[in-house]
Amino acid sequence: NAGVTQTPKFQVLKTGQSMTLQCAQDMNHNSMYWYRQDPGMGLRLIYYSASEGTTDKGEVPNGYNVSRLNKREFSLRLESAAPSQTSVYFCASRPGQGDTGELFFGEGSRLTVL
Amino acid sequence: QKEVEQNSGPLSVPEGAIASLNCTYSDRVSQSFFWYRQYSGKSPELIMSIYSNGDKEDGRFTAQLNKASQYVSLLIRDSQPSDSATYLCAVSSGSARQLTFGSGTQLTVLP
Repeated sequence: NAGVTQTPKFQVLKTGQSMTLQCAQDMNHNSMYWYRQDPGMGLRLIYYSASEGTTDKGEVPNGYNVSRLNKREFSLRLESAAPSQTSVYFCASRPGQGDTGELFFGEGSRLTVL
Repeated sequence: QKEVEQNSGPLSVPEGAIASLNCTYSDRVSQSFFWYRQYSGKSPELIMSIYSNGDKEDGRFTAQLNKASQYVSLLIRDSQPSDSATYLCAVSSGSARQLTFGSGTQLTVLP
């Protein structure tokens, strides 16, 4: 049971390039999330998808787009990368409404924008 | 503005001592409270959850919740060097039960 799988694990981009971070979960969870983590800032929510077919902005959505491709997959796209988007990105999931709120995290994707 | 505040540390304790980690939150309607441990370069992992006032014990870990004071803490007894990590407090609130994280407290247990 793989849990939450993120790809790629490492990526270096130049300013202005685009890329997509992929996330897939095999736990049949309804809700999926993208967080970024910067030193001293904790985890900040970028976008989330409460259920298949829905997406909503979190605390720091600017510069990002998401797609909930199906129940398993939730991707994060940077259309024109900026150095301020250098960060560690975590995808997470949880069962959904009525659950305890516990999040299950992927291993993270480390992005550097030059 | 929903906020979760933690002392950033770093906090250092000798091996075998009790480590005390604190967290305050601003949203009075918060429902669920979590402590995650994050080793350097790794993803957060859940170590404790608490939903009602009082203490909850799990092995060497005790979570304490006081909703009136909007305060949640984590005690680690008999601290071990393997407990050295960053501890993230997370609070769930709202109809969507979003998790808001504190900035984390870095704990070092000295052998």
